[in-house]
Amino acid sequence: QVQLVQSGSELKKPGASVKVSCKASGYTFTSYAMNWVRQAPGQGLEWMGWINTNTGNPTYAQGFTGRFVFSLDTSVSTAYLQISSLKAEDTAVYYCALVDTAMVTGPFDYWGQGTLVTVSS
Amino acid sequence: SYVLTQPPSVSVAPGQTARITCGGNNIGSKSVHWYQHKPGQAPVLVVYDDSDRPSGIPERFSGSNSGNTATLTISRVEAGDEADYYCQLWDSRGVFGGGTKLTVL
Repeated sequence: QVQLVQSGSELKKPGASVKVSCKASGYTFTSYAMNWVRQAPGQGLEWMGWINTNTGNPTYAQGFTGRFVFSLDTSVSTAYLQISSLKAEDTAVYYCALVDTAMVTGPFDYWGQGTLVTVSS
Repeated sequence: SYVLTQPPSVSVAPGQTARITCGGNNIGSKSVHWYQHKPGQAPVLVVYDDSDRPSGIPERFSGSNSGNTATLTISRVEAGDEADYYCQLWDSRGVFGGGTKLTVL
């Protein structure tokens, strides 16, 4: 069965960096596009962008350019979200989620369990 | 940018029908997906492509989409349905509605 297992919670100081991992299993890694979704405290879900698991090409949503980097290690079927120069407003739960690459307007079929990143001095 | 509008909250008694709307400009021309999100858990897809149900999702969950409104309908509501519900579509980028908190009275 398809599984996405994310790394554990992180507590970081402002200005630091964090790298969240999302390890995939149970399917061919390149069959799904890897997306990232954020949920800030008390807020709704927000799409951050996605990375093409065939080419490694990332696409970032407005508001997630510059400090946010999506990457892959296909040898271990793992996607990464790195956030640099952390700010208090980056405090959120970050989810990885899969979209079938064959469905341009498809749903997020599978989700990771979420990683809480807390930015506080 | 495309905006999806959901009511912040919907309340319903057990056994009744809950309807959660998602408004957007000519949303009926797009494929809408719905997610159930409970605290501390990952979101779960409950309806995709307007009205299809993933395997394992009860038939009580259904969807429709026409004009400027998509609707998620939950029949015979149970206590376990209490959650936040989000609509979502693609408009050159991923777009989520603001979410609706379903309260089972």
